[in-house]
Amino acid sequence: DTGVSQDPRHKITKRGQNVTFRCDPISEHNRLYWYRQTLGQGPEFLTYFQNEAQLEKSRLLSDRFSAERPKGSFSTLEIQRTEQGDSAMYLCASSLRLAGVHLSTDTQYFGPGTRLTVL
Amino acid sequence: AQTVTQSQPEMSVQEAETVTLSCTYDTSENNYYLFWYKQPPSRQMILVIRQEAYKQQNATENRFSVNFQKAAKSFSLKISDSQLGDTAMYFCAERGGGSEKLVFGKGMKLTVNP
Repeated sequence: DTGVSQDPRHKITKRGQNVTFRCDPISEHNRLYWYRQTLGQGPEFLTYFQNEAQLEKSRLLSDRFSAERPKGSFSTLEIQRTEQGDSAMYLCASSLRLAGVHLSTDTQYFGPGTRLTVL
Repeated sequence: AQTVTQSQPEMSVQEAETVTLSCTYDTSENNYYLFWYKQPPSRQMILVIRQEAYKQQNATENRFSVNFQKAAKSFSLKISDSQLGDTAMYFCAERGGGSEKLVFGKGMKLTVNP
């Protein structure tokens, strides 16, 4: 199976610590997205990349959050000085945006997520 | 602002029966896309069906079909011949034509009983 993979699947940390998550998209996909899902809610958009360029960031992405996709393949999401409110499932998705297509019809494929618990 | 509302938090259905999941949305976009995603317990989210707003014909994928009412901003999902494997959280989502982000509803827990 060559779907979207995320590592780790679970992370427990103490408040104030830094954590980093990794996402490996489907190999030919040029777009990569990060979402956050809290209990009882649908996923909320955080940011997305087109190749290595970060093109949109949600206001949910505070200064403590940073995402990178240095070579246009895998991506990392780092949370500095974690707070209890950061506890959530962090989902990664990828899609293929075809060049020259004006109306975006690409489908986002999701990974299994990283569940973060901040104690 | 885009919003997606799923007013039914939970439903149950007997195996082989038909069930309809409701979703309403609000968007200022003229061109947009609507999706139903399924998230089985402890498994990743997968796309069930999608609908382009400019298409009048309702999308169909095997046992899954939608009733897209553009004027009413309604996008319901019908599951025919329900199977035990359909048990999952179902999320309705919308994406504006000029945006890349999906806006999700809160989800609805569907349980298919044997």
